[in-house]
Amino acid sequence: ETGVTQSPTHLIKTRGQQVTLRCSSQSGHNTVSWYQQALGQGPQFIFQYYREEENGRGNFPPRFSGLQFPNYSSELNVNALELDDSALYLCASSFTRDTEAFFGQGTRLTVV
Amino acid sequence: EDQVTQSPEALRLQEGESSSLNCSYTVSGLRGLFWYRQDPGKGPEFLFTLYSAGEEKEKERLKATLTKKESFLHITAPKPEDSATYLCAYTVPGSARQLTFGSGTQLTVLP
Repeated sequence: ETGVTQSPTHLIKTRGQQVTLRCSSQSGHNTVSWYQQALGQGPQFIFQYYREEENGRGNFPPRFSGLQFPNYSSELNVNALELDDSALYLCASSFTRDTEAFFGQGTRLTVV
Repeated sequence: EDQVTQSPEALRLQEGESSSLNCSYTVSGLRGLFWYRQDPGKGPEFLFTLYSAGEEKEKERLKATLTKKESFLHITAPKPEDSATYLCAYTVPGSARQLTFGSGTQLTVLP
């Protein structure tokens, strides 16, 4: 059984650019959530996908968007990058919406 | 407003010196209280889920407990490899079951 994997591990982008981060869920998990973690803070919920539909959203602007694919892998897209978007982006998958979430290793995004 | 506060922000222990980390919450209708361990530059690692006051769970040197207002993570005879940031989080009833995290306690265990 493979765990949650994210790619890339590190990324540097310029302000105003767009970025796509990818997540492969743990085998058998149909729910994926994305979190943003600033340095020294706890992760902040961005949104969740359940069976390919957005199932909930945190306090993030529309330029943060996502997709979940039939194999339950997922993408996080961020448009018009701002300096404050620099953070560790975490993907978490769970067997259902009601069970514990398991996190990937994260993607460190730096916006310059 | 629902919120969770962790204390202390940082804790340094000698190897073998037991202690507890605190997670205080004010939540309307708590569904679950979660503990995670996070090593620098990595994703959080799931430790425990607690659902009701009085519940306790143990794993090796760690024991998590839950009351109606707070949760404790007790660390017995810690070792240097227990050094990490420990995060607590809660969920409330609703379709998303999103985790709301505290800021964490950074634990350092000295040999």
